[in-house]
Amino acid sequence: GAVVSQHPSWVICKSGTSVKIECRSLDFQATTMFWYRQFPKQSLMLMATSNEGSKATYEQGVEKDKFLINHASLTLSTLTVTSAHPEDSSFYICSANQGQGDEQYFGPGTRLTVT
Amino acid sequence: GDSVTQMEGPVTLSEEACLTINCTYTATGYPSLFWYVQYPGEGLQLLLKATKADDKGSNKGFEATYRKETTSFHLEKGSVQVSDSAVYFCALSDPNPNTGTASKLTFGTGTRLQVTL
Repeated sequence: GAVVSQHPSWVICKSGTSVKIECRSLDFQATTMFWYRQFPKQSLMLMATSNEGSKATYEQGVEKDKFLINHASLTLSTLTVTSAHPEDSSFYICSANQGQGDEQYFGPGTRLTVT
Repeated sequence: GDSVTQMEGPVTLSEEACLTINCTYTATGYPSLFWYVQYPGEGLQLLLKATKADDKGSNKGFEATYRKETTSFHLEKGSVQVSDSAVYFCALSDPNPNTGTASKLTFGTGTRLQVTL
């Protein structure tokens, strides 16, 4: 149980376009979802925390207008990278949990390449 | 702020060798500590955790003890297998029961383990 999926697993897009990444909890209701970014050989860095039905809380230094997060239901959160640039190329990972203090369950990640 | 430091890899071991991956942390409160494992092509999975000082987390032959005096949570296994080849992440969460929100995780950089026959 406690499976989290991400779609797509990889995507290539051109500069200036927008890309949407989906994160789904398949067998549980996720009250909170987290979005991370991972650079090669570096740690996962938390971008934002989203609770179902409310606005996401962004970490310091993360542009909320560039990385749009929507958590419209208890099983789906989306991250939209708007007006993508090559420096946005990265590995994006989501996680979800069922409540405060509960274990986070991670998706397999989405590799974004902006050309 | 909170931070986690773990040894750089890659670590290459022969099957049945002993493994230690060092992890130290800094935190303002009393964090919970975790080891996550990421197998090739898969998402991070919780390997083990400890929520208070002197607790020992264990799973699949791996162990780690929460050492408050040395702010460490080193991962150990007595005999590794080829199937243990993966990237291992040390992490902490510093819970704040007053915020009403789920605890955030702070990760180390990850250590790649390669086990050969």
